[in-house]
Amino acid sequence: AIQLTQSPSSLSASVGDRVTITCRASQDIGSDLGWYQQRPGKAPSLLIYSTYTLQNGVPSRFSGGGSGTDFTLTISSLRPEDSATYYCLQDRSYPYTFGQGTNLEIK
Amino acid sequence: QVQLVESGGGVVQPGGSLRLSCAASGFTFSIYAMHWVRQAPGKGLEWLAVMSYDGRQTYYADSVKGRFTISRDNSKNSLFLQMNRMRVEETAVYYCARDRAHGGIGEIDYWGQGTLITVSS
Repeated sequence: AIQLTQSPSSLSASVGDRVTITCRASQDIGSDLGWYQQRPGKAPSLLIYSTYTLQNGVPSRFSGGGSGTDFTLTISSLRPEDSATYYCLQDRSYPYTFGQGTNLEIK
Repeated sequence: QVQLVESGGGVVQPGGSLRLSCAASGFTFSIYAMHWVRQAPGKGLEWLAVMSYDGRQTYYADSVKGRFTISRDNSKNSLFLQMNRMRVEETAVYYCARDRAHGGIGEIDYWGQGTLITVSS
């Protein structure tokens, strides 16, 4: 199975900061990667699919990049409501796999 | 709007069986693949299984292959997960989720709110 490794596992940043979360795949997955946000006690929600494409209704401060084995999720200007855990998911091959998650705390 | 409502959670003994259901509404269920994902308390997300829109293709995580079975009833807009020989470490919230691509299998877009299963004697 393809392994996804996210970094950092946790981070703390202030409102207005720019933050980047990285997801590294154990093998080439092309652009078959998505990002999800999960707030405490809630179901995950899709932010970005196919590496770059913003899901409808997601604020433009979220962006995705990368290809092959290295991918990023960037939040350009943090807002308090961005406090959550973020996961990457590869849909290149079965079984699908998630990264271990990145817990983002807003100072 | 897309709605996915899981049911069937509860307490099951180790080695026991349980069947989860997911009622879908707000979209044409019969043209979308559907997934199951779980999350142990305080842990990350684990993808479990997917079934194509027509039921002809199914794929499973290695951890559940041979014990869990995904199925669907397009006439009732429902998805199911039959879970056998359950283990204590499978205590988790189980999510039903829709695939983004209609007619194929791709990313997960919409999620239900989840149902908690506790495996304990």
